[in-house]
Amino acid sequence: DAGVTQSPTHLIKTRGQQVTLRCSPKSGHDTVSWYQQALGQGPQFIFQYYEEEERQRGNFPDRFSGHQFPNYSSELNVNALLLGDSALYLCASSLSGRFYEQYFGPGTRLTVT
Amino acid sequence: LAKTTQPISMDSYEGQEVNITCSHNNIATNDYITWYQQFPSQGPRFIIQGYKTKVTNEVASLFIPADRKSSTLSLPRVSLSDTAVYYCLVLSPWGPGAGSYQLTFGKGTKLSVIP
Repeated sequence: DAGVTQSPTHLIKTRGQQVTLRCSPKSGHDTVSWYQQALGQGPQFIFQYYEEEERQRGNFPDRFSGHQFPNYSSELNVNALLLGDSALYLCASSLSGRFYEQYFGPGTRLTVT
Repeated sequence: LAKTTQPISMDSYEGQEVNITCSHNNIATNDYITWYQQFPSQGPRFIIQGYKTKVTNEVASLFIPADRKSSTLSLPRVSLSDTAVYYCLVLSPWGPGAGSYQLTFGKGTKLSVIP
C-alpha cells in the first residue's frame, strides 16, 4: 500500500515565479492538508481540502492556493514567489473523522533564489 | 487552540526509558492530545493520541493526569533510531470546521539518543 507521495522532491525557482506542487494521498484517504516547514521550525498549516473544496485555511496569503481532484489527489500553487517561501512543503492525508491521525509525505524542498 | 510547552531538547542513552512531558494548561474539555515524531528530511509521523488516563500502543505510552493540564510521552528502551523531534499537539474537535482539524505544531522536543 503506497503511502503519501509528493512531487517533485526538490525544486529551485526564482523570485516572482509561480510553482505547483503535487500530492497523492494514502489509499482510501479523502482529506488532504498542506503544511509549510521552515528550517528548525514545526510545520505550519496552510490549508485542508475535502470533497474538492477548501475546508479550512491557516494564516497564509492568497498567493497560496490549492485544488483537490476527484481522485483525492491535490495540488498546491504558490504565485509571485518570495525568498521567504523557501521551505519544505508537506502534504498530509487522512480520513475525515480520524482527525488526529494524519499521514505525511516526504515533502517537496522549495528553494527560491 | 490550547498552547503547548515542551522541552526544547533531551538526551538519553540507548536502552533507557525516555519521558517527554508537555504542558497544556488551557486545554478544553473536548480537546485531544496527540504526539508526532519527525526524523530529519521526513514528514512527521503519528505516534499516539489520548484523552485521559493512559494509552499504550506498540511504539509508546501516553500518560494524562486527571486534570489533563499536562501529558507525558513515554518511549521504552530507546535506540539510536529514536533520535528525532517529538511534537505534542492539542486538537479541538468542536467548533467551526468540526471534523477538519488542522494540526498546530510548536518547535517540538529534539531527542538525541547516545550510544
